[in-house]
Amino acid sequence: DQQVKQNSPSLSVQEGRISILNCDYTNSMFDYFLWYKKYPAEGPTFLISISSIKDKNEDGRFTVFLNKSAKHLSLHIVPSQPGDSAVYFCAANTGTASKLTFGTGTRLQVTL
Amino acid sequence: ETGVTQSPTHLIKTRGQQVTLRCSSQSGHNTVSWYQQALGQGPQFIFQYYREEENGRGNFPPRFSGLQFPNYSSELNVNALELDDSALYLCASSLTSRRGDEQFFGPGTRLTVL
Repeated sequence: DQQVKQNSPSLSVQEGRISILNCDYTNSMFDYFLWYKKYPAEGPTFLISISSIKDKNEDGRFTVFLNKSAKHLSLHIVPSQPGDSAVYFCAANTGTASKLTFGTGTRLQVTL
Repeated sequence: ETGVTQSPTHLIKTRGQQVTLRCSSQSGHNTVSWYQQALGQGPQFIFQYYREEENGRGNFPPRFSGLQFPNYSSELNVNALELDDSALYLCASSLTSRRGDEQFFGPGTRLTVL
């Protein structure tokens, strides 16, 4: 049972435009959400997070939006840069534990 | 400051064999989590070690076991390997086991079971 879903396996965006990556979850106990970025041959690196008490968190070019009623979150990257080309994972956890439940990932390609 | 390292990088085993994967946590971190990432999937939580004790386990059979040493490095052991165990195994270290502490991932060990 996939509790965190990323329904778009891949996304291609032109440099300078906005990239929007989506994530849906089914477990209503999740109350903390994270995005990780992964380059080939490297481990995932933390990008940005959001608590369920917020609906938006911004860090530079990266903004995460959370819609609790729809159990949906999205990551916006503006403007997109070629170095953003990577696989992006949405992850969630619940309570005080740090165990992460990941989605299947979306491969973002930023073209020139 | 040295990041999270894992060894070996790649490994090929045959069904029924046993394997040990190693992880050195980032300096000052006392918590290590292990994840399995099968092809085309996201990482799945195997278990976590905090101060040498298991601190949570995912939906993996007992043939997946681990250890954490006094220097907080860790091992993942898998007995009686199956073809489906072929995956990238990631370890992540964090300052503590609290969820607000960022998890820093190593580059992973690619295990192939033939």
